[in-house]
Amino acid sequence: EPEVTQTPSHQVTQMGQEVILRCVPISNHLYFYWYRQILGQKVEFLVSFYNNEISEKSEIFDDQFSVERPDGSNFTLKIRSTKLEDSAMYFCASSVRGGATNEKLFFGSGTQLSVL
Amino acid sequence: AQSVTQPDIHITVSEGASLELRCNYSYGATPYLFWYVQSPGQGLQLLLKYFSGDTLVQGIKGFEAEFKRSQSSFNLRKPSVHWSDAAEYFCAVRGGNEKLTFGTGTRLTIIP
Repeated sequence: EPEVTQTPSHQVTQMGQEVILRCVPISNHLYFYWYRQILGQKVEFLVSFYNNEISEKSEIFDDQFSVERPDGSNFTLKIRSTKLEDSAMYFCASSVRGGATNEKLFFGSGTQLSVL
Repeated sequence: AQSVTQPDIHITVSEGASLELRCNYSYGATPYLFWYVQSPGQGLQLLLKYFSGDTLVQGIKGFEAEFKRSQSSFNLRKPSVHWSDAAEYFCAVRGGNEKLTFGTGTRLTIIP
């Protein structure tokens, strides 16, 4: 089965630094997502992206966050100035179709971000 | 706004025993419901989904779930668990938009 690939698997950074989390979605997918899971809490939606623009974002996704599809294969999440509370597991996901009836979201194995 | 509650944080069952993981949702209309599994070091894998029609849905790995509108529930079941079923299980709901809303998850431990 095709996979969504995320790199790195672990990222440690100092508070205030910029981080970029990278994802390679499945090649024929058109919809892309970031979710995160703070330790012991729910998996939370951050943002969805289609046709080179954000289609939906949560209240978590403030001005410190941005997403980009720089080269047609990668999908990145940038955090401009990390805070301690940004420490979490970040999941990338992709799908062929979007919308509420989209049947299958493929998730990557996640990047564990630790902000010190 | 939609929400999901998984009341059991951790469940331990013996190998070969039956399993039921509870999930309750809140959403104003007919929801789209999902169960995902996460094994250690792995991403979230879709086990099964409910959109409409038959309220008993079959998934991969021998899992099934039943949608009960009157109880706002979508419990996951398996008649006989295997050691490889040990993982974290997440129930999720989607309303009329892109966003999946997850529960807090239930960690399943299997004892021999």
